[in-house]
Amino acid sequence: DAGVIQSPRHEVTEMGQEVTLRCKPISGHDYLFWYRQTMMRGLELLIYFNNNVPIDDSGMPEDRFSAKMPNASFSTLKIQPSEPRDSAVYFCASSQALSGYTDTQYFGPGTRLTVL
Amino acid sequence: DAKTTQPTSMDCAEGRAANLPCNHSTISGNEYVYWYRQIHSQGPQYIIHGLKNNETNEMASLIITEDRKSSTLILPHATLRDTAVYYCIVRVVGTGRRALTFGSGTRLQVQP
Repeated sequence: DAGVIQSPRHEVTEMGQEVTLRCKPISGHDYLFWYRQTMMRGLELLIYFNNNVPIDDSGMPEDRFSAKMPNASFSTLKIQPSEPRDSAVYFCASSQALSGYTDTQYFGPGTRLTVL
Repeated sequence: DAKTTQPTSMDCAEGRAANLPCNHSTISGNEYVYWYRQIHSQGPQYIIHGLKNNETNEMASLIITEDRKSSTLILPHATLRDTAVYYCIVRVVGTGRRALTFGSGTRLQVQP
């Protein structure tokens, strides 16, 4: 398996522009997570899905952020309009709900977003 | 999820064992101890997890004290590629919130 795939790997945009980050989870995984990492706040959860349904979006900073999962193999995180403080590395992760003994999360390589 | 406390940083000589401690004194009976690491510029990587018994896999060993209030991750023969930030996370498995709550972790520097 190719693992979790994220695109683009790097994104540089100007303030006010729309940004769309993409994620393809590992095939067969039914949980998908979006995390953000900054120097100030570390790694923090933004939102996660189970079977394509958003379960917990309490970490989404504000209405400028939205996430969708139209099918089991694709998710997007959109920022509109973007602001300089959104600059961070955004990670997507997926996991499989097994018998409940373990649900290891597998992370993608991340998208480094810079908003000028 | 229970709060964890880890040293900010540690050094280890290449080829020697790296022992990374974690305190989780408020851990509940149904909470597991997970370890992840993040090598520079990469996504976090799962290492190992356990409930109350010691665990070993191809990457590391996990030693959990009998009262479960602390644990130690052991990398038996550290290499330069093990230089990373190591996160100890305590969480319930199987039910409830699925997301991971990352603390500050321990920055391990393996010295040649």
